[in-house]
Amino acid sequence: AQSVTQLDSQVPVFEEAPVELRCNYSSSVSVYLFWYVQYPNQGLQLLLKYLSGSTLVKGINGFEAEFNKSQTSFHLRKPSVHISDTAEYFCAVSRETSGSRLTFGEGTQLTVNP
Amino acid sequence: DTAVSQTPKYLVTQMGNDKSIKCEQNLGHDTMYWYKQDSKKFLKIMFSYNNKELIINETVPNRFSPKSPDKAHLNLHINSLELGDSAVYFCASSPRTGSNTEAFFGQGTRLTVV
Repeated sequence: AQSVTQLDSQVPVFEEAPVELRCNYSSSVSVYLFWYVQYPNQGLQLLLKYLSGSTLVKGINGFEAEFNKSQTSFHLRKPSVHISDTAEYFCAVSRETSGSRLTFGEGTQLTVNP
Repeated sequence: DTAVSQTPKYLVTQMGNDKSIKCEQNLGHDTMYWYKQDSKKFLKIMFSYNNKELIINETVPNRFSPKSPDKAHLNLHINSLELGDSAVYFCASSPRTGSNTEAFFGQGTRLTVV
């Protein structure tokens, strides 16, 4: 079975500062990787996904993530955050053999302060 | 135009009651899911249906019974509600069953059992 670990449960940053949200996964087979964002009292929205090809993936709202197979990581980055980026961020994986079942990490609460 | 819609958004009920949550998607997707988000915001898949056929059934109590009258709808019926059922339930859909497809989530239904 696969698992996902988000290394930081909370990340406070100041506005316009860069941010990195860390995600590591464990799987014995190839996986596909996703980052979702959840704003307060909202559903989940896809930020970006890695399926194959270039290991640097660009998503919406200026976010990007880099897939590192040797380190089994898929860290999310943004060079300059805004107050509106305050939300819960979830890393998720799916396996080729598990259909579209997503296994989620425990989430990272990003709080952007003025 | 809401792509994946759930009703109700909030549901407060007493222990022992039976309740249903409805989900509809207008994206033309073949696959629909129910996820549960607990009080610590951890998300876990419960069920998945593909073209009205059950394809994923995680270890969920028998009190939970999904029903898919057509591929655009996946309802969740819960019998004999317990305090531990309190959570946010998310419906989601994806174009097909493949693991490289993203899931589109509804806004969630916050169920509180008292």
